[in-house]
Order: sequence, then structure tokens, then C-alpha cells
Amino acid sequence: EAEVAQSPRYKITEKSQAVAFWCDPISGHATLYWYRQILGQGPELLVQFQDESVVDDSQLPKDRFSAERLKGVDSTLKIQPAELGDSAMYLCASSFHRGNKNIQYFGAGTRLSVL
Amino acid sequence: SQQGEEDPQALSIQEGENATMNCSYKTSINNLQWYRQNSGRGLVHLILIRSNEREKHSGRLRVTLDTSKKSSSLLITASRAADTASYFCARGSNYKLTFGKGTLLTVNP
Repeated sequence: EAEVAQSPRYKITEKSQAVAFWCDPISGHATLYWYRQILGQGPELLVQFQDESVVDDSQLPKDRFSAERLKGVDSTLKIQPAELGDSAMYLCASSFHRGNKNIQYFGAGTRLSVL
Repeated sequence: SQQGEEDPQALSIQEGENATMNCSYKTSINNLQWYRQNSGRGLVHLILIRSNEREKHSGRLRVTLDTSKKSSSLLITASRAADTASYFCARGSNYKLTFGKGTLLTVNP
């Protein structure tokens, strides 16, 4: 069964360092999402791509976070510089299309610890 | 902001019992979805109910939706230890999902 791939699974970094997370969505899925999930909370959308275009990044802290999906397939989320409050699970999800009946398929996530 | 709020925050039951979780939301929806998350893993889609539907079934899952009260409930019947997980409702509108804080369900063998 096709899965959303994410790497790394775990990342420990010191504050002020740069970190990057990678996501490969299910083949053929045009829409890709990055979420941040703080322990004990639900996922919060950071950025949504339709193919290679950003369609929603209203909750992305753009002073330190950036995301790209250059060829409309895999995607990278970067944080520079990392802050203590960035410690969380970063989840990638994809869906076949952007329609309102969009069932999202999630990767296993990258757990980030900022020391 | 998180628009879907689950209740209770935590639920502990014995294997074989039914588990009911509730979700309330504040703004209009196109659909409401429920997802499950095992500890430290990604979310898995369980069931979707459209705004013009009132009830939907999938295996041991039953979802109801009351748009007049802006609420939904998820019933898991004959629970198993493997059902232990966090359950999230997600409001579908404007081409995205907004998740609540989740209900942590523990099923004791």
C-alpha cells in the first residue's frame, strides 16, 4: 500500500541551528500539506501546496520557516534558526486533489527536539 | 486556531465496551472527518460524513452529524485493546482540514 514517506523520523538540534524535513507524498497526489503538532494537541496546518504552488501558508511563521515543492512531487520544510518553541512533531500529508472531500494520508512524522 | 473540539479529553474503558467521543465546531463545514493516531505516529483516516448526511457507518464505527448543533459523535462498538489511540475530528471547509485537540482513548484488556 502506498505511503507518505518522511525523513528523518527524529531530529535533535540546538537552538539557532537550521533544520530541514523531507516528505515524499503518495504518487499522483497533487496536494501536499505540512502540519505541526505540539504534544497533546491536534495538527495545525503550516502550508498547503497544489502541485508546486503554495495555496495556503497563512499559519507559516515566514520569518524562520520556509517550504518548497519545486517539481510538484516531494517537498522540504526548513526552519532557520530553530527556537525552543519549535519542538514538536512535523507531519506531512497528501491528498489526491484539493476538493472539499479531501481525505488526507499522513506520513509517520518527524519529531523535532530543540535544545 | 483549532475549530474542532473533542470531548472528553480522555476516556478509559474495558475491552468489549462501547466508546463515544464528541466533537463540536464553530463555523460551517463541507464535511467532518475522524482520524486516529497511535502514539508517536501519523494520523489515519477513519470516516468522512458530508454536511448533508446525518449518520454513517463503517465496520464498528458509527458517526453522527448534527449541523444545527454544530456537533458530531464517533461511536466505536465492541472496543478492542488495539483501538487505544488518540481520535481527532477534523472540520473540512475551504479546501483544508482543521483539527481539534483530540480524545485519548485507552481500552484496557
